[in-house]
Amino acid sequence: EIVMTQSPATLSVSPGERATLSCRASQSISSSLAWYQQKPGQAPRLLISGASTRATGIPARFSGSGSGTEFTLTISSLQSEDFAVYYCQQYNNWPPAFGPGTKVDVK
Amino acid sequence: EVQLVESGGGLIQPGGSLRLSCAASGFTVSSDYMSWVRQAPGKGLEWVSVLYSGGSTYYADSVKGRFTISRDNSKNTLYLQMNTLRAEDTAVYYCARTRISTLYYFDYWGQGTLVTVSS
Repeated sequence: EIVMTQSPATLSVSPGERATLSCRASQSISSSLAWYQQKPGQAPRLLISGASTRATGIPARFSGSGSGTEFTLTISSLQSEDFAVYYCQQYNNWPPAFGPGTKVDVK
Repeated sequence: EVQLVESGGGLIQPGGSLRLSCAASGFTVSSDYMSWVRQAPGKGLEWVSVLYSGGSTYYADSVKGRFTISRDNSKNTLYLQMNTLRAEDTAVYYCARTRISTLYYFDYWGQGTLVTVSS
């Protein structure tokens, strides 16, 4: 089974600043990686699939990059509504698996 | 507009059974792939099961043999029958429309229904 790790566990950022979140797979997953945003009490929302393709309605300040085992989600200028937990998920190898999440909070 | 609304959660004793429902609108469940994903309190996300449009089903090892995913095309509704429940099944259960590219990712999610397994 592929193990997904995310760093840091918590990222403290000021509004308007750039946030960079990392996700690592224990073996190569090509570009089969998705990112989700989850706010307290809400369901996850798909942000990115295929490592870099934004989902419908996702603002351009969210961008994804990487392939193989190393991936990055960048939020170019944090807005108040972006403070949340972010999960990566691999869908290249059985079973599909999520990372433990990165919480982005207000500095 | 795609909407998913889960129901059926609650408090159940270990060893008991529960059936979750997920009513869909804005698309046809039978024409898409559908999954259940769960989240234990304060924890991360865990994929549970998928139902293909063609009817094939797949399960996580943690629930195989105990859970059954199904759908009612006439009601455009997805189900998860959960038997022999354990304390570790306690979680919010989300249904999610599922996209296929090698394996599965999830583009629309319901609001979730909480299942608590406790005596």
